[in-house]
Amino acid sequence: QSVLTQPPSVSAAPGQKVTISCSGTSSRIENNSVSWYQELPGTAPNLLIFDNHKRPSGIPDRFSGSKSGTSATLGITGLQTGDEADYYCGTWDASLSSFVFGTGTKVTVL
Amino acid sequence: EVQLVQSGAEMKKPGESLKISCRGSGYSFTSYWIGWVRQMPGKGLEWMGIFHPGDSDSRYSPSFKGQVTMSADKSISTAYLQWSSLKASDTAMYYCARQLGGSLSLGRISFDVWGPGTRVTISS
Repeated sequence: QSVLTQPPSVSAAPGQKVTISCSGTSSRIENNSVSWYQELPGTAPNLLIFDNHKRPSGIPDRFSGSKSGTSATLGITGLQTGDEADYYCGTWDASLSSFVFGTGTKVTVL
Repeated sequence: EVQLVQSGAEMKKPGESLKISCRGSGYSFTSYWIGWVRQMPGKGLEWMGIFHPGDSDSRYSPSFKGQVTMSADKSISTAYLQWSSLKASDTAMYYCARQLGGSLSLGRISFDVWGPGTRVTISS
């Protein structure tokens, strides 16, 4: 049972925007950096966002990350069919002495 | 090109041992931590632990401590994850992933390069 809660699914039409929330506690999100991963069907996860809002090279600026208090948010603008995937947040949990992933969110492009 | 190449799919019986591998290339293998992540069928990602091939330092998730062992052979730039006695519940995809940046700051862990995964199936 993950300690980082994400909505099970979000959806929007092509070109629209979706946001995915990642909710935790102070020992997790508030005091540590959050990263976000995209898992396309049948492939390994891919890093989208690190240190709450930074994008690795090669990740388009359609993807954005933010954090406020005990929640983090991934935003995807200009939604494309190729964005259909599972998305996971992750952060260090000091109370568990463990890195933890969120419950995962499936993005569907209508 | 920086990449992690993992060993092939495995089918084992309960009680057997197993060691899967993750070979790094295109970067200084001993300078980056390697993490291991489990994904059970139809489920989410679970962090198992992280290992430093340079000095063999490690951090295990409490959920996996004592259940698996992480190690590495620097001479062939390969990290390993091993089990001494497999259970059916070990059936999963296992990913290795490189920690972004050479140093480990627990509050800033993220994984920038992932292997393709090794599928492990345990069945009698």
